[in-house]
Amino acid sequence: DQQVKQNSPSLSVQEGRISILNCDYTNSMFDYFLWYKKYPAEGPTFLISISSIKDKNEDGRFTVFLNKSAKHLSLHIVPSQPGDSAVYFCAASGRAALIFGKGTTLSVSS
Amino acid sequence: DAGVIQSPRHEVTEMGQEVTLRCKPISGHNSLFWYRQTMMRGLELLIYFNNNVPIDDSGMPEDRFSAKMPNASFSTLKIQPSEPRDSAVYFCASSPPSRAGSTEAFFGQGTRLTVV
Repeated sequence: DQQVKQNSPSLSVQEGRISILNCDYTNSMFDYFLWYKKYPAEGPTFLISISSIKDKNEDGRFTVFLNKSAKHLSLHIVPSQPGDSAVYFCAASGRAALIFGKGTTLSVSS
Repeated sequence: DAGVIQSPRHEVTEMGQEVTLRCKPISGHNSLFWYRQTMMRGLELLIYFNNNVPIDDSGMPEDRFSAKMPNASFSTLKIQPSEPRDSAVYFCASSPPSRAGSTEAFFGQGTRLTVV
C-alpha cells in the first residue's frame, strides 16, 4: 500500500500561470517532506523541502504548503516556465529512507 | 564534486543472465540507497545502507536481488538470474550524516536495464 500518493499522473499549464502539484501521505510518523524534479535520462534532483513543524516554505518561484491534519502537501510554481516541464516527485521521510510517490508529469506550454 | 556515479548507464541482457549494477556515492556521505523506477510503481526503495550496513532491505523484490556495500565508496546491486520484468531504471542515491530536519538524498543518473 502506497504511503505517499500523487493522484494526478499529469498536469498541463500555460506559461506564466500557476502550477499546483498535490501529494497525500498516510504515515503520521513522517516529519520531513521534499519535492524532486526529474528530466528524462537524468536522476531526480532536489527542489524544495519542508519540515513538519512548518506549514509553508518558499524558495523563489517555488512554494511548498503542508497541511498536517489533512496529511496533504502541495507544490506551487509561480509563474510557470517551459523549462519547468519535468516529472515532479513528492517524497517523505521519518528519519529513514525517503519514500516517493509515483510522480506527476508537468507540461508547461509557451 | 562528481556527484553519485553509476555504471553502466545502459545494460541490455538476456533473460537468465546475471546483471551487476555499480554505484559510487558522494565522498563523506554515510547513507546509500537503491531505488527502481517503473511506470507502474514509480520510484520504489529497494534497500538502504547506513555506514555500509544494510538497514532495510524490505523493498528487495525477490531472492534474485542482492546488494552489497563492501566499503564507504562502493556498492553493487546484483540480479541473478535476470527476468524481463526486471527491466527498469535503477537509481543509486546517497545522503550525508543527517542534520536535524534534513535528509536530502542526491541521485545518480541511473542505469537503464533491459532484459530481453
